[in-house]
Amino acid sequence: DAGVIQSPRHEVTEMGQEVTLRCKPISGHNSLFWYRQTMMRGLELLIYFNNNVPIDDSGMPEDRFSAKMPNASFSTLKIQPSEPRDSAVYFCASIRGGAPAHNEQFFGPGTRLTVL
Amino acid sequence: RKEVEQDPGPFNVPEGATVAFNCTYSNSASQSFFWYRQDCRKEPKLLMSVYSSGNEDGRFTAQLNRASQYISLLIRDSKLSDSATYLCVVDGGSQGNLIFGKGTKLSVKP
Repeated sequence: DAGVIQSPRHEVTEMGQEVTLRCKPISGHNSLFWYRQTMMRGLELLIYFNNNVPIDDSGMPEDRFSAKMPNASFSTLKIQPSEPRDSAVYFCASIRGGAPAHNEQFFGPGTRLTVL
Repeated sequence: RKEVEQDPGPFNVPEGATVAFNCTYSNSASQSFFWYRQDCRKEPKLLMSVYSSGNEDGRFTAQLNRASQYISLLIRDSKLSDSATYLCVVDGGSQGNLIFGKGTKLSVKP
């Protein structure tokens, strides 16, 4: 079975450019999470969708970040304009059901973003 | 106080050794606890849930101390393949979202 799919796997861009990260959750999973991981801050939740609806976006750093989930099989995380401090690994994860604390989270392989 | 705290390590141990990691959490209302494993440059994967009574999965034993708000992971008879970063994870809010510790790095040497 395919796991969580993320693209691109690596992205190098220049400051000020728009970056779009993509995620396809596991089929049948109805909750999706976007995380950011850095050495300094560890793994941080950015936003969480349940049945395509954003439930908690309190972790989104600022207005430069936006996320959408137009349907159950696709989500995007967009950074516009990007800044060097956005450099990190961005993970997407999904679960079956709507209770993050009671279901195993399955992570995608991540997108390693470098903003020069 | 950080929500989930772990000793970053690294813990360098020989094969066959027993090693233990601790983790403390700040939210006394947390109800769900996990250990995730993350290999270098890979995604985190669930290792095991942590139950109030403690639980064991092969060489791995997890324990929870609610009074002191800490969780432990014990690995017996360490293997080279156990080398990874171990993330302590706690549910942390009204939404029930998970809070991840920064991880403890384990390196098992021959």
